[in-house]
Amino acid sequence: GQNIDQPTEMTATEGAIVQINCTYQTSGFNGLFWYQQHAGEAPTFLSYNVLDGLEEKGRFSSFLSRSKGYSYLLLKELQMKDSASYLCAVRDQLGGYNKLIFGAGTRLAVHP
Amino acid sequence: GAGVSQSPSNKVTEKGKDVELRCDPISGHTALYWYRQSLGQGLEFLIYFQGNSAPDKSGLPSDRFSAERTGGSVSTLTIQRTQQEDSAVYLCASSTTGEFGGYTFGSGTRLTVV
Repeated sequence: GQNIDQPTEMTATEGAIVQINCTYQTSGFNGLFWYQQHAGEAPTFLSYNVLDGLEEKGRFSSFLSRSKGYSYLLLKELQMKDSASYLCAVRDQLGGYNKLIFGAGTRLAVHP
Repeated sequence: GAGVSQSPSNKVTEKGKDVELRCDPISGHTALYWYRQSLGQGLEFLIYFQGNSAPDKSGLPSDRFSAERTGGSVSTLTIQRTQQEDSAVYLCASSTTGEFGGYTFGSGTRLTVV
């Protein structure tokens, strides 16, 4: 089966850096995604990792360690608009299917 | 269209009634997913269509839920004899085969069962 864990809530200060961790267990790992979801809106794609290491995209970076079943999303120079839920999702390849399984999400509150 | 389109955006129905939710994926996207999101919760996988292959229905919570995808494009999620616990936002996403970052979500249908 699959299991994805991430903290429920985090708070941070505007201009600071925050790291959101995600651990996963899956039998057919085929990539890890991070999505951002503002309240009442659909999730939007942030990043994708399939190989170990750090992927940087502007203020956002994502790291993956497949051997440890671990990823993190790093947000720099936090802005108030970054207050949202951040969803870790693992693509699990089983029986020829690529299924995208989501964690429960981490609600990030950015304060002035 | 340019994005994934879902209709209706909001649906209020009486307990026991049947509802149909529609998803129109991005043209050319062969993979289509349905998810359910209860208030303040994560996304719960329901069903996955990939091209002409048999769908992965492993996430459907009961036999009251069914989905079909006609002509490899539009999909309909049907919930029969709705219950109050079915109240949630139903999200549809589509992607091309093997695309690493292109799971695009629709805006969802907010279903309220009263």
